[in-house]
Amino acid sequence: DTGVSQDPRHKITKRGQNVTFRCDPISEHNRLYWYRQTLGQGPEFLTYFQNEAQLEKSRLLSDRFSAERPKGSFSTLEIQRTEQGDSAMYLCASSFKGLNTEAFFGQGTRLTVV
Amino acid sequence: GQQVMQIPQYQHVQEGEDFTTYCNSSTTLSNIQWYKQRPGGHPVFLIQLVKSGEVKKQKRLTFQFGEAKKNSSLHITATQTTDVGTYFCAADSNYQLIWGAGTKLIIKP
Repeated sequence: DTGVSQDPRHKITKRGQNVTFRCDPISEHNRLYWYRQTLGQGPEFLTYFQNEAQLEKSRLLSDRFSAERPKGSFSTLEIQRTEQGDSAMYLCASSFKGLNTEAFFGQGTRLTVV
Repeated sequence: GQQVMQIPQYQHVQEGEDFTTYCNSSTTLSNIQWYKQRPGGHPVFLIQLVKSGEVKKQKRLTFQFGEAKKNSSLHITATQTTDVGTYFCAADSNYQLIWGAGTKLIIKP
C-alpha cells in the first residue's frame, strides 16, 4: 500500500495521560500536514512540515501538542496531559510542493479521552 | 487570516435531484480544491481548479471556478446514494489548505 498510513487507528486514554500518533506519508511527498476533525466540522489545521522543517503551527494549538518529522520521512504527533476536549479524529495528509498540491489523507487516528 | 465560506451546511435531496454547494472567499484564490468525505471516512481529493472561469466535469459532477477566482461551486446532477457524504472546498494558501466547513449531502429516504 503506497498511501498515507496512520497508527494507531483508535486510541482510548485516560485524562492526563500522554499519547503519540504516527503518520507515514507517501514517500515522494515533501509536505506533511496534521489536522484535527470533530464530528460535523471540517479539518482544522494543526501543523505543517516541508521535509523535516516544521514551518507552521496553528496559533490555536496548545503547548501540550508537539509534532516532529525527523529526516523528513514519518511524523509523530504527541499530546501531553490529554484533556477530554482533545477527543477527535487526528488526520495526517501529505502532498507535493508545487502546482499540484492535492492532499492525500490517511485514515486517521480516533482519540477518545475518558 | 484567509477564510473560505461554504454553504449550505446541509442539503437534503430526493435521489435523482440535483445538489449544489458553494464556496466564497473575500480574497483572490490561487487555486481551489474539492474533497469528498464519506461518513466515517477521510477526505478524498476530487479535483483542483486553477484558472479563472474554469469548468471541469467528472461524470455527474461539475466544478466551476469564478472569473474573479473568489468563488467556486460543485454541482451534482441526478444524485445517487453513492453521492452521500460531506463535500469540502479547500483553498491553497502557500503551505496549507484553508478548508470550508463542508456541505453534507443527505438523501431523503
